[in-house]
Amino acid sequence: AQTVTQSQPEMSVQEAETVTLSCTYDTSESDYYLFWYKQPPSRQMILVIRQEAYKQQNATENRFSVNFQKAAKSFSLKISDSQLGDAAMYFCAYSILGPSGSRLTFGEGTQLTVNP
Amino acid sequence: AAGVIQSPRHLIKEKRETATLKCYPIPRHDTVYWYQQGPGQDPQFLISFYEKMQSDKGSIPDRFSAQQFSDYHSELNMSSLELGDSALYFCASSLTGLIAEAFFGQGTRLTVV
Repeated sequence: AQTVTQSQPEMSVQEAETVTLSCTYDTSESDYYLFWYKQPPSRQMILVIRQEAYKQQNATENRFSVNFQKAAKSFSLKISDSQLGDAAMYFCAYSILGPSGSRLTFGEGTQLTVNP
Repeated sequence: AAGVIQSPRHLIKEKRETATLKCYPIPRHDTVYWYQQGPGQDPQFLISFYEKMQSDKGSIPDRFSAQQFSDYHSELNMSSLELGDSALYFCASSLTGLIAEAFFGQGTRLTVV
């Protein structure tokens, strides 16, 4: 079974600074997808960034970027120029692209606090 | 752009009652997923449907059932409710075969008292 582990239950960062959230996963699959989802106090699940395992280039979305280390099964999220609106629970998630769907397996989450 | 619509947003039920949660996926999405998120926990996959057929099953209790209808909306039926069923229930939809990205609804908060 696939597992996703986030070893940092809580993190904090000063506004405008950079923070990195860690995620490791375990899988025997060679082709899969990794995601970071943000869950603000509204509890909406918002996709932040995605990475296809077959792509060597790390994904980037504006201030958000990942460090994908396939051999180490590591998938960290870097948030640059942190903003107050970045405060949320962040979930790392894994899925494979199956013929009839792709269930997500989530990590335990990291609660990010942004200090003004 | 249209998003995943869930109803109701909040629901309060007593123990042993029945609840029905509804999900309307993004138009043209062919796969619907249900997740349960308990207090302080990560979302757990319950069940999914592809083209109106059950496609995958996770940790869904036998007291729960779900189906997807001809218009692609889905319903999660929960019977003999227990206090431990109190959670946020998410529906998500995706277009299978192209990308593995699921779009989430805003969730239904179920409180069992």
